[in-house]
Amino acid sequence: TQLLEQSPQFLSIQEGENLTVYCNSSSVFSSLQWYRQEPGEGPVLLVTVVTGGEVKKLKRLTFQFGDARKDSSLHITAAQTGDTGLYLCAGHLTTDSWGKLQFGAGTQVVVTP
Amino acid sequence: KAGVTQTPRYLIKTRGQQVTLSCSPISGHRSVSWYQQTPGQGLQFLFEYFSETQRNKGNFPGRFSGRQFSNSRSEMNVSTLELGDSALYLCASSSSGQGAGELFFGEGSRLTVL
Repeated sequence: TQLLEQSPQFLSIQEGENLTVYCNSSSVFSSLQWYRQEPGEGPVLLVTVVTGGEVKKLKRLTFQFGDARKDSSLHITAAQTGDTGLYLCAGHLTTDSWGKLQFGAGTQVVVTP
Repeated sequence: KAGVTQTPRYLIKTRGQQVTLSCSPISGHRSVSWYQQTPGQGLQFLFEYFSETQRNKGNFPGRFSGRQFSNSRSEMNVSTLELGDSALYLCASSSSGQGAGELFFGEGSRLTVL
């Protein structure tokens, strides 16, 4: 059983459309991160959010951390084919050491031309 | 700055054999963590090493072990391989100061057990 539930599991959209991926938990996290993974590669860190209610923007990507630090969302505006990949949310519990993250199952995003 | 390097990238073993995977972290990073990634279970934490000491361990059987050397390089070993051990094994390093908890992953070692 994973502490972080991601939805949807799979998302297929056309270029130019918007999408949102959700990451929810009943546990409180001291920080939450989003990674993107492409086939044959390791996950690459996109962003870290640490403050409840925090919103971070990275070009066309917007990340939110819930007020209670139990949930997060990733919103992509005007998706491009280069946004295709597996998006993973990962949280750090306050009781865990820094190298231990709880990962969601991932959302496979496919952006078609 | 060089990234996290894992070797080998691909390997095939048979049931009952053992395997050793290697990881060189980013220069200056003293924390190394290992994760197993499978289609069914996603990324599962194996263990974390910091300054040659195991700092945390996930819920894996004793067949999975690891160690860290004084230069922060790390190895993990899986003994008596089972079919279910087929997976992508990912190593990640992180700093202990600012940015702690942000993991930088290698490309992984793809293990196939036949």
